[in-house]
Amino acid sequence: QKEVEQNSGPLSVPEGAIASLNCTYSDRGSQSFFWYRQYSGKSPELIMFIYSNGDKEDGRFTAQLNKASQYVSLLIRDSQPSDSATYLCAVPPYGGATNKLIFGTGTLLAVQP
Amino acid sequence: DAGVIQSPRHEVTEMGQEVTLRCKPISGHDYLFWYRQTMMRGLELLIYFNNNVPIDDSGMPEDRFSAKMPNASFSTLKIQPSEPRDSAVYFCASSRDYSTLTDTQYFGPGTRLTVL
Repeated sequence: QKEVEQNSGPLSVPEGAIASLNCTYSDRGSQSFFWYRQYSGKSPELIMFIYSNGDKEDGRFTAQLNKASQYVSLLIRDSQPSDSATYLCAVPPYGGATNKLIFGTGTLLAVQP
Repeated sequence: DAGVIQSPRHEVTEMGQEVTLRCKPISGHDYLFWYRQTMMRGLELLIYFNNNVPIDDSGMPEDRFSAKMPNASFSTLKIQPSEPRDSAVYFCASSRDYSTLTDTQYFGPGTRLTVL
């Protein structure tokens, strides 16, 4: 099992809809979770992090964490064509004892106008 | 703040040649990371440094790859000899300490390497 798994997509949603991106991780000791967005040909940039069970909202973005199920998701409300990008989930291994991040392979989101 | 700076942005070379990628981290960041990204394998951590010292090089694929950080503002990733399978985008990233669990890595623009 890979340490961080994501569905590669593409996930296609119409403009204005909610996009739901999912990530599972294998390390039960993981404490914090990061979502990065990467536009085609560009570098990854952080959009959200979460370290407590439940939901965390930031504008149109909501991160959801369920440590018991080892599952973290990112919801994008009112999706816009400008949200079309690859979304990478990242987790520090060993419960964050090091400063590494393990990245999933990313989910490609396509928002259709 | 200028962000993480990488050079060159694009590199095309022939198999067997030496390739050197360069990175200048954000001032004040103690950690520097080198990643490789391909369609097949995604974003892979190659090596990272703390205060100029290599901490974990378990991701370096083989002895053809080497990385150095002679000072806090400069790092190199060298491939010698290069092979076509090394073709990828190489990212450098830097960060402050993760002790708060909330800080993050800031990525440079990447170097797109093509080995013919």
